[in-house]
Amino acid sequence: DGGITQSPKYLFRKEGQNVTLSCEQNLNHDAMYWYRQDPGQGLRLIYYSQIVNDFQKGDIAEGYSVSREKKESFPLTVTSAQKNPTAFYLCASSYRLAGFYNEQFFGPGTRLTVL
Amino acid sequence: QKEVEQNSGPLSVPEGAIASLNCTYSDRVSQSFFWYRQYSGKSPELIMSIYSNGDKEDGRFTAQLNKASQYVSLLIRDSQPSDSATYLCAVNSNTGNQFYFGTGTSLTVIP
Repeated sequence: DGGITQSPKYLFRKEGQNVTLSCEQNLNHDAMYWYRQDPGQGLRLIYYSQIVNDFQKGDIAEGYSVSREKKESFPLTVTSAQKNPTAFYLCASSYRLAGFYNEQFFGPGTRLTVL
Repeated sequence: QKEVEQNSGPLSVPEGAIASLNCTYSDRVSQSFFWYRQYSGKSPELIMSIYSNGDKEDGRFTAQLNKASQYVSLLIRDSQPSDSATYLCAVNSNTGNQFYFGTGTSLTVIP
């Protein structure tokens, strides 16, 4: 089955720890994205990548880092510099058509809680 | 000014009625427009894409786009309790690289 997987589903972090959220897709999509969603709020873009070994900051990149070593994978690290990381994290991917990126498809999400 | 604005609701409609969800956007050169449905605690699910002015129908869903007014809407006919969710409007940026999401409209369909 084609799709996007995220792991773990739930993650608990102690203060001062770095944690890494996994995102894998087998849709052969070029672009991948990380969003953060807080209760009652919309999606805020953290980072995105359009090609391997390249990525751009979104609106709220501070305290986060990413890598794109393979087309299929786009892991997100939440560092200790992120002071309020408790949120629902969503990974998405998209394909290019006629010069624009089309529909984004989302993984099931990772819910991160700081203890 | 927010890139994409939606009425947060909540919007309540009786079962079988038409639910109308609205969205406005600020970037005049946006090319692609999407509606997602998000159930509580779940990730967004794409339900409609629209690229040209006018209406696009898919089953009980109709998306309407008016680029001159920078307005996109979603109509849900014969609303069902299973349609109860938050509906997110998304717009592709003028560079085609980013998507901007509204904060969502919460819909409740009352049996």
